[in-house]
Amino acid sequence: DVKVTQSSRYLVKRTGEKVFLECVQDMDHENMFWYRQDPGLGLRLIYFSYDVKMKEKGDIPEGYSVSREKKERFSLILESASTNQTSMYLCASWTPPGGYTFGSGTRLTVV
Amino acid sequence: GDSVTQMEGPVTLSEEAFLTINCTYTATGYPSLFWYVQYPGEGLQLLLKATKADDKGSNKGFEATYRKETTSFHLEKGSVQVSDSAVYFCALGTQGAQKLVFGQGTRLTINP
Repeated sequence: DVKVTQSSRYLVKRTGEKVFLECVQDMDHENMFWYRQDPGLGLRLIYFSYDVKMKEKGDIPEGYSVSREKKERFSLILESASTNQTSMYLCASWTPPGGYTFGSGTRLTVV
Repeated sequence: GDSVTQMEGPVTLSEEAFLTINCTYTATGYPSLFWYVQYPGEGLQLLLKATKADDKGSNKGFEATYRKETTSFHLEKGSVQVSDSAVYFCALGTQGAQKLVFGQGTRLTINP
């Protein structure tokens, strides 16, 4: 089975800190995604990547950036964390023949 | 653009009740349709999917039929259990896009 691993389940960071959320998949998949999940808003796409060093903005990229130096790893970066970025962050990998495999999520609190 | 609309929750049922969670979609082309489930404290897991009109996806007693004429993919289960308490997401993926569009999720609580 495909495995998507997010490095932290819970994080607490201070306002203004630079935050890295890591995601690793073990099946050489090309397409990876970062979503945030908030009550009443469902899942919103932040960024996605079709291959190494390639990235595309999703619906809510402001305040975020991403890095994909190796195919298996897709990192989400909060350049200067703010309290409105407190959320659950979900990483996903597109898994043939169709659909996503999700990581367990990282619940980030910015204080 | 493509979109998915789910019935608003939360939904609360008693054990062994019949469940329906409505999902309708708007899409160009011929999307694949998915239901994902999120148990408390976890990421999303694929529950079932259908790739073309009239297909029925099924898993763990849940079913959903891809209805092109009504652009719907309603989730049903004949007899729910307490362990089915979770958040359910309907999603669509357009051909070749390799990206999903999600509904807002429906929280389901089953009482014993």
